[in-house]
Amino acid sequence: KNQVEQSPQSLIILEGKNCTLQCNYTVSPFSNLRWYKQDTGRGPVSLTIMTFSENTKSNGRYTATLDADTKQSSLHITASQLSDSASYICVVSAGYGGSQGNLIFGKGTKLSVKP
Amino acid sequence: EPEVTQTPSHQVTQMGQEVILRCVPISNHLYFYWYRQILGQKVEFLVSFYNNEISEKSEIFDDQFSVERPDGSNFTLKIRSTKLEDSAMYFCASRAVNTEAFFGQGTRLTVV
Repeated sequence: KNQVEQSPQSLIILEGKNCTLQCNYTVSPFSNLRWYKQDTGRGPVSLTIMTFSENTKSNGRYTATLDADTKQSSLHITASQLSDSASYICVVSAGYGGSQGNLIFGKGTKLSVKP
Repeated sequence: EPEVTQTPSHQVTQMGQEVILRCVPISNHLYFYWYRQILGQKVEFLVSFYNNEISEKSEIFDDQFSVERPDGSNFTLKIRSTKLEDSAMYFCASRAVNTEAFFGQGTRLTVV
């Protein structure tokens, strides 16, 4: 069964600190992996998207890694800011081509950045 | 920057009533989607729509649900007879051929 598991469920860090969020997936066939940021009560906003051949991708203070062999991904946030407080969702796309219906969502990691 | 817009932002309805959730996708996008997120749970796929027809749907999307693109700009989700368990955030998303999906801000549906 296609699954995406994220850890930790929640995380509290102090402003300015770094953190790393984890994602393990069991999805076949794998198409790509995305990290989304979702503020409370808002729609998910894309941070990064990686295909099978990409190991790392950065977007400002966000750096995502992908190990397709172990089926693991991480999202590293550098120098956290209060505005980073949100849920971070790992989403894996299964299937071929662009079938968006095969997006498998993780439950997300709820990050709280404290002053 | 173009964005997917959804209306209303919050809808309260009585159990058994019909609701229509509206979405205006990004104008040059061709693929449209509805997702829902029950409070505290993960986002779940409902349906995808392309070329004026449903291309894929989940088991959640039963006969009580329907989608329509009535006028070439709006994309609607109709729930015929709402149940308490339909209470959730409903997200619309759209994409072009070679882009990822862009999500709207969601409609919070509360069934009382």
